[in-house]
Amino acid sequence: QVTLRESGPALVKPTQTLTLTCTFSGFSLTTSGMCVNWIRQPPGKALEWLAIIDWDDDKYYSTSLKTRLTISKDTSKNQVVLTMTNMDPLDTATYYCAQSSFFGARSFDYWGQGILVTVSS
Amino acid sequence: DIQMTQSPSSLSASVGDRVTITCRASQSITRYLNWYQQKPGKAPKLLMYSATSLQSGVPSRFSGSGSGTDFTLTISSLQPEDFASYYCQQTYNIPRTFGQGTKLE
Repeated sequence: QVTLRESGPALVKPTQTLTLTCTFSGFSLTTSGMCVNWIRQPPGKALEWLAIIDWDDDKYYSTSLKTRLTISKDTSKNQVVLTMTNMDPLDTATYYCAQSSFFGARSFDYWGQGILVTVSS
Repeated sequence: DIQMTQSPSSLSASVGDRVTITCRASQSITRYLNWYQQKPGKAPKLLMYSATSLQSGVPSRFSGSGSGTDFTLTISSLQPEDFASYYCQQTYNIPRTFGQGTKLE
């Protein structure tokens, strides 16, 4: 049974760096083809894909946010970490992590419940 | 980046209606098109993958079609639990991109 859970601060101040952790079970990021993605959704708005890390430690980022994002993994802890620098009130959103495979449809089969991050002074 | 455009952005319908949502990609994505359903306060849930394949456990009233740049999601007979938002997503390349969503009301 695959589960993912996001954790991190609920409130950050403008200009601060956000660090979010996705802790997962039911699969391993050492298995060929496995990937973990980060997605966000501002209140009342659409989903926005942020980043992906794969089993081979390849990392890819949103074109518009790539200068502010870093994704990494700790396979021993079954965790993926996303950092976003220079936070702005416009970054207020629910942040999700989701599992996908590099092969086949590449769909996001399993999602965490999400964590609402508010950026405010 | 591949742009995904959904229409309509909102749709008013009734139980029993047949509903169709369209999604258009800015370039060919062959069949790398997925559909998600999202209810308020919940994470998205995968409905369809590879344009036409029904995710396990999803009712057969949901169907998908299309390839290349034009895709549709159809609900054959709307049920009360189907009132939600729907998003298409391309996984043809990176960055992965979503449509802007369709809210079924």
